[in-house]
Amino acid sequence: AAGVIQSPRHLIKEKRETATLKCYPIPRHDTVYWYQQGPGQDPQFLISFYEKMQSDKGSIPDRFSAQQFSDYHSELNMSSLELGDSALYFCASSPGEGYNTGELFFGEGSRLTVL
Amino acid sequence: DAKTTQPNSMESNEEEPVHLPCNHSTISGTDYIHWYRQLPSQGPEYVIHGLTSNVNNRMASLAIAEDRKSSTLILHRATLRDAAVYYCILANAGGTSYGKLTFGQGTILTVHP
Repeated sequence: AAGVIQSPRHLIKEKRETATLKCYPIPRHDTVYWYQQGPGQDPQFLISFYEKMQSDKGSIPDRFSAQQFSDYHSELNMSSLELGDSALYFCASSPGEGYNTGELFFGEGSRLTVL
Repeated sequence: DAKTTQPNSMESNEEEPVHLPCNHSTISGTDYIHWYRQLPSQGPEYVIHGLTSNVNNRMASLAIAEDRKSSTLILHRATLRDAAVYYCILANAGGTSYGKLTFGQGTILTVHP
């Protein structure tokens, strides 16, 4: 079965650079969630989209932005990167807020390293 | 958000049952109880969820106390592959925040061969 696809899987950037992470949800899933997991930390919710509109926001820095496109894939853009942004970034998808099985399907994550 | 409390770690032997407890004394009437697990270097994986009644699926069982202030995840026969961090999470049904999961400190399960 198709899973959530994230790219790139690994990314190395310098401080103050910009990075973009991509997420392709499971087919027919219209809701996407982004989570950040720092080293030794638990996953933290960043932001979510439902039907291409932002539906909820967590502790996402102002330097980060995200959007969901017409094909439901999502991109997380991170600018002015800081050392503290080094983390695993997970994307998850679900079949929508109006009909929710209670299950989020997570991708394998994108590991961002900021030097 | 209502909080959950779990033991930091638990250990089990392979092929034995494992009971992972979770306390959530401030749970609201519309909070679902979710369990996710995270294997090393992988994304979180859904295990099971429930509201009031006990639930079973191919992975595990969820036993919910009658007052809903605690629950227990039951792995019927632990395998080495079950070694992971297990998170008990409350998620309010409906609205836009359903997928906004708050991962607190989970339980690190070690399974011995």
